[in-house]
Amino acid sequence: EAAVTQSPRNKVTVTGGNVTLSCRQTNSHNYMYWYRQDTGHGLRLIHYSYGAGNLQIGDVPDGYKATRTTQEDFFLLLELASPSQTSLYFCASSDGGENTLYFGAGTRLSVL
Amino acid sequence: QQKVQQSPESLSVPEGGMASLNCTSSDRNFQYFWWYRQHSGEGPKALMSIFSDGDKKEGRFTAHLNKASLHVSLHIRDSQPSDSALYFCASGTNAYKVIFGKGTHLHVLP
Repeated sequence: EAAVTQSPRNKVTVTGGNVTLSCRQTNSHNYMYWYRQDTGHGLRLIHYSYGAGNLQIGDVPDGYKATRTTQEDFFLLLELASPSQTSLYFCASSDGGENTLYFGAGTRLSVL
Repeated sequence: QQKVQQSPESLSVPEGGMASLNCTSSDRNFQYFWWYRQHSGEGPKALMSIFSDGDKKEGRFTAHLNKASLHVSLHIRDSQPSDSALYFCASGTNAYKVIFGKGTHLHVLP
């Protein structure tokens, strides 16, 4: 099964702080995704990428930047964190064929 | 507007019973469907994909797709307590954008 590793697993920051969430996949997948999960909203797509250097905008991109540095690594950046960004964040990857997504274990972020 | 809508929000079925979950896309760009399951404390995991009209069966799970109405359903027969989880419908485009619904909480009662 595809391996997607997220770090950190938990993060607490203050309003206005900088946060970087990391995701690494080791299955040579071309596609990587960042979602946030909130009660009542399900999973919402923030950004996704076709490959190194590529970035596509999702449905809830405001306040988030993302960067795909290599095929394996996809980062989500919150440069001025706000309490509304308190959430559970998931990274996922896929090979683009049937495009089944393989998810990491998630990062729980609290912005105080 | 939510492009992928799921119903019901919550569903309780007895052990051994049939659970039926529904999903509709409101955007014709989204024509590919998946079902994912998420147990508490874990990331979602894919159950099955369905891209063509009709039924697709995998063990106790059967998905049905009607592309004309962009409606997909998931039926779980002989439900087990271990099936209790949050079930997501996901829909995708040719450009690999994948959108999820809000999910259905399934409770299988022993």
